[in-house]
Amino acid sequence: SQQGEEDPQALSIQEGENATMNCSYKTSINNLQWYRQNSGRGLVHLILIRSNEREKHSGRLRVTLDTSKKSSSLLITASRAADTASYFCATAPSGGYQKVTFGTGTKLQVIP
Amino acid sequence: DTGVSQDPRHKITKRGQNVTFRCDPISEHNRLYWYRQTLGQGPEFLTYFQNEAQLEKSRLLSDRFSAERPKGSFSTLEIQRTEQGDSAMYLCASSFGAGNEKLFFGSGTQLSVL
Repeated sequence: SQQGEEDPQALSIQEGENATMNCSYKTSINNLQWYRQNSGRGLVHLILIRSNEREKHSGRLRVTLDTSKKSSSLLITASRAADTASYFCATAPSGGYQKVTFGTGTKLQVIP
Repeated sequence: DTGVSQDPRHKITKRGQNVTFRCDPISEHNRLYWYRQTLGQGPEFLTYFQNEAQLEKSRLLSDRFSAERPKGSFSTLEIQRTEQGDSAMYLCASSFGAGNEKLFFGSGTQLSVL
């Protein structure tokens, strides 16, 4: 079962523009993570934000977390063609040993 | 650190056959996850281990699926009597610590059931 839902399902932008993806989830979390997946490959971890954090940056990535709305957003600034991939949010529920579950993903296409 | 490796990369089998996949996690990682992913979907949780203990198995999995992690090192995922609906990418991931930390994924095993 999927815990999170990403929005939009697909996004197409020009190189140099910013890309914003949103994630909504259902249960209380310990942390929320974003992953990237190039076609036919495994997932690569991008950034982790804990439940007591509101914003986090890593290079061209900015993640926000609103636990009251159970939502997160991933912003990629100054996009490049190499950013073309699918992006997934993943949540680690709070309370002991809990599995990490993934959302449905946003497919990003950056046009050179 | 050689990363998470999965074997084989591709598997084509006939309906009704049994298949087994192997995952070698990063050596010091104590958690190991199996996920299944179909085209256009996010990874779907199958099962996970803390060392050699299997902590949870998805209720969506039938009894045809079984996973092991002997001695808390590599893991195997077996599917018995495969069905066409089992065709998917099977992903393995590992992590270190008390859990809920970032996952390191292998490249996956693409299963095609004919």
